[in-house]
Amino acid sequence: GEEVAQTPKHLVRGEGQKAKLYCAPIKGHSYVFWYQQVLKNEFKFLISFQNENVFDETGMPKERFSAKCLPNSPCSLEIQATKLEDSAVYFCASIRGIFSIANSPLHFGNGTRLTVT
Amino acid sequence: AQTVTQSQPEMSVQEAETVTLSCTYDTSESNYYLFWYKQPPSRQMILVIRQEAYKQQNATENRFSVNFQKAAKSFSLKISDSQLGDTAMYFCAFTPFNNAGNMLTFGGGTRLMVKP
Repeated sequence: GEEVAQTPKHLVRGEGQKAKLYCAPIKGHSYVFWYQQVLKNEFKFLISFQNENVFDETGMPKERFSAKCLPNSPCSLEIQATKLEDSAVYFCASIRGIFSIANSPLHFGNGTRLTVT
Repeated sequence: AQTVTQSQPEMSVQEAETVTLSCTYDTSESNYYLFWYKQPPSRQMILVIRQEAYKQQNATENRFSVNFQKAAKSFSLKISDSQLGDTAMYFCAFTPFNNAGNMLTFGGGTRLMVKP
């Protein structure tokens, strides 16, 4: 498709429950990025993939957070045992190649709002 | 590591007037890109304008223009003839030309309200 598709739009989880978010990048885009936008609007980088390989995971919390991009499947971000502070909007973005940013913008999905109660 | 700072958490402007949003950044990179993104209440992230650091000419896109001061590491956004639809959060962002593993570093955002 021609847009980054994130599902679900909204997700509500009780504290301690698992949350799984999905992202289908634009067809032909090799790089996928996950960002967390907390309620103060700050964006925090979580992880990036080059196809199915982790490219940069310096932003990922060591515990509870994991992510995958498998061939022929949407990418996923999973949070085990959610905490209240995980409440945020999670954005996925994709781009054709790392140096494509000279010619085309990073394409963002519309985000998944996770609310942990 | 790069940092991006937006010193104005909120701003307002009257419709049809001009407003300037500030952004400063810190980097040791010599070649990089700077961006302004608009995030309306719908949450969609919309690229407003892009500047390549090696280009001295300031980027313009219709009513949007930037004042890029490389030595001062400043990248302000000017919105002319403000419209009600410009009401949104605006984020300044940075990416180095090389090693774009995290692709974008964002500032904290400026909430712009355009008043009728």
